[in-house]
Amino acid sequence: GDSVTQMEGPVTLSEEAFLTINCTYTATGYPSLFWYVQYPGEGLQLLLKATKADDKGSKKGFEATYRKETTSFHLEKGSVQVSDSAVYFCALGVGSSNTGKLIFGQGTTLQVKP
Amino acid sequence: GAGVSQSPSNKVTEKGKDVELRCDPISGHTALYWYRQSLGQGLEFLIYFQGNSAPDKSGLPSDRFSAERTGGSVSTLTIQRTQQEDSAVYLCASSEVRRPSYNEQFFGPGTRLTVL
Repeated sequence: GDSVTQMEGPVTLSEEAFLTINCTYTATGYPSLFWYVQYPGEGLQLLLKATKADDKGSKKGFEATYRKETTSFHLEKGSVQVSDSAVYFCALGVGSSNTGKLIFGQGTTLQVKP
Repeated sequence: GAGVSQSPSNKVTEKGKDVELRCDPISGHTALYWYRQSLGQGLEFLIYFQGNSAPDKSGLPSDRFSAERTGGSVSTLTIQRTQQEDSAVYLCASSEVRRPSYNEQFFGPGTRLTVL
């Protein structure tokens, strides 16, 4: 069945370090891919998305490219800040005539130290 | 505008009792989803409503779980005879549905359920 695998955390980085959080997926058809973020004490919010192969989603310095050949959607940021500390979830959008559910990875906790 | 709201924010109950969790989606959103976030299982899909179509109940973990959506808006998730393993944060999300583009789901703050 459809699934998402993302790297286990926690990931601890110093401010201004480069971030990569790996995400790979298994799916039939042509899913949409998402990164959601959950800041401490807050709800889940969409960070970025890509709806077809080779699309690049980007927001707030974060980027992820939909790679169909490697079934991946790795999240990257060139220079992290303390305020980026959060839990990051990779998700797969399963769309058909009667279902639009998201399948989430396990989440990766990022801690950025000053 | 207002986002997705859920009530209560916290619920503590005793094992064996029934609980009802409420979700108010964003006005105009025709799709509504319930998910569960727990330490052992991560974020799991429970059920999905879209307009007048039959709901997708494929994620409900047992027949103790049910949900309804009245008037295409507010939804209630009911858990009967609660068990300790039901303890989790229950998240509701809503979205517009426009094909072919897949649409963003907006999440509520969640209801934290603790079963003693």
